[in-house]
Amino acid sequence: EVQLLESGGGLVQPGGSLRLSCAASGFTLSSYAMGWVRQAPKKGLEWVSTVNSNGGSIYYAGSVKGRFTISRDISENTLYLHLNSLRAEDTAVYFCAKDCSTTGTTCAFDIWGQGTMVAVSS
Amino acid sequence: SYELTQPPSVSVSPGQTVSITCSGDKLGDKYASWYQQKPGQSPVLVIYQDKKRSSGLPERFSGSNSGNTATLTISGTQALDEADYYCQTWDSSTVVFGGGTKLTVL
Repeated sequence: EVQLLESGGGLVQPGGSLRLSCAASGFTLSSYAMGWVRQAPKKGLEWVSTVNSNGGSIYYAGSVKGRFTISRDISENTLYLHLNSLRAEDTAVYFCAKDCSTTGTTCAFDIWGQGTMVAVSS
Repeated sequence: SYELTQPPSVSVSPGQTVSITCSGDKLGDKYASWYQQKPGQSPVLVIYQDKKRSSGLPERFSGSNSGNTATLTISGTQALDEADYYCQTWDSSTVVFGGGTKLTVL
């Protein structure tokens, strides 16, 4: 069964850092593009970042560019999101999602994790 | 930046057909996808590449995309279809989501 399991969320102070993990099972990360999508409390979905299947193309939303970094450990079949310089407006549930293509630009997010909550507050 | 516009809410009676629209500049030239999200749950892919149904989804869900508008249509709507629906596309190296439409089945 194809599954994604996020972890690493928590409460962090403004300006702080966090690393989110997304453990994939039932498929290999090197075969599909992967992404992160967040959802602030009672708000809609907001795309954060996408990496293609070979890791050679990485895309970020303007709101997180320069502060967040997406990465992968193929040997562990795990996707990461490194969050730096966190702000109150970064407070959200962060979902990792598998794309149904290798590029991440022509298909959709067909498998989603359960999400992990990040709260930025002093 | 590219924007997708959805109506905030739509209502339908059980058994009826409902359409949810998603508007964006020349959206028909891009692929559109649709996601369903129920309270407290993760989003679920419903339609991708304009009209392809996600695996396991009932045939009552269908999609189209032309001109500036993508449309998700649910035929024979059931109470369990009550949820938030989000459209999504890709533009200029960016994934774009619509603001979401709350579907109420009265």
